[in-house]
Amino acid sequence: EVQLVESGGGLVQPGRSMKLSCAASGFTFSNYGMAWVRQAPTKGLEWVATISYDGSSTYYRDSVKGRFTISRDNAKSTLYLQMNSLRSEDTATYYCTRDIPPFDYWGQGVMVTVSS
Amino acid sequence: DIVMTQSPFSLAVSEGEMVTINCKSSQSLLSSGNQKNYLAWYQQKPGQSPKLLIYYASTRQSGVPDRFIGSGSGTDFTLTISDVQAEDLADYYCLQHYSYPTFGAGTKLELK
Repeated sequence: EVQLVESGGGLVQPGRSMKLSCAASGFTFSNYGMAWVRQAPTKGLEWVATISYDGSSTYYRDSVKGRFTISRDNAKSTLYLQMNSLRSEDTATYYCTRDIPPFDYWGQGVMVTVSS
Repeated sequence: DIVMTQSPFSLAVSEGEMVTINCKSSQSLLSSGNQKNYLAWYQQKPGQSPKLLIYYASTRQSGVPDRFIGSGSGTDFTLTISDVQAEDLADYYCLQHYSYPTFGAGTKLELK
């Protein structure tokens, strides 16, 4: 059974950093691209970043480019999202998702609240 | 960026009815290489993660009931739910992944 379990969220002050993790199991992690998708409270879904199966290629939405870094450790079957210079508009539930077919499995999500 | 215009914003239905949700993209999602439309549909129930229903515009994900039907090509796409059940009440989103992924704004399906 495919499982994606996010961790690392919480309350953080504007301008500070936070790192999310996603532990994957039930499939060969190193064969799949992975992504982060977020959802602000009561709002719709928004793609954040994608990483290729081997980590050689990464893609970001414009609003997080230069602030967020997606990475992976295939030996640990874990996906990461390093978030720097956080802003109030980054407040959302962040979901880890498998990328092919697009976003076919999702984690339960982790809440990130950016507030002073 | 490709803009996805989804309609309606909300829909009130009775059990057993048929509903259609529409998504229009600002440019074609049809790949000339493989003739596939890079359009997917998701269902999100309250307090839950999204669930993939349909990909490549019309391919049903494994385990999805056949009352969920995706159709369309190019820039215009439709999700049809026939014989709506109470368990189908949720938010529905379209997604294009022809280029950097963008979602539609969502459609809330409610009971009349």
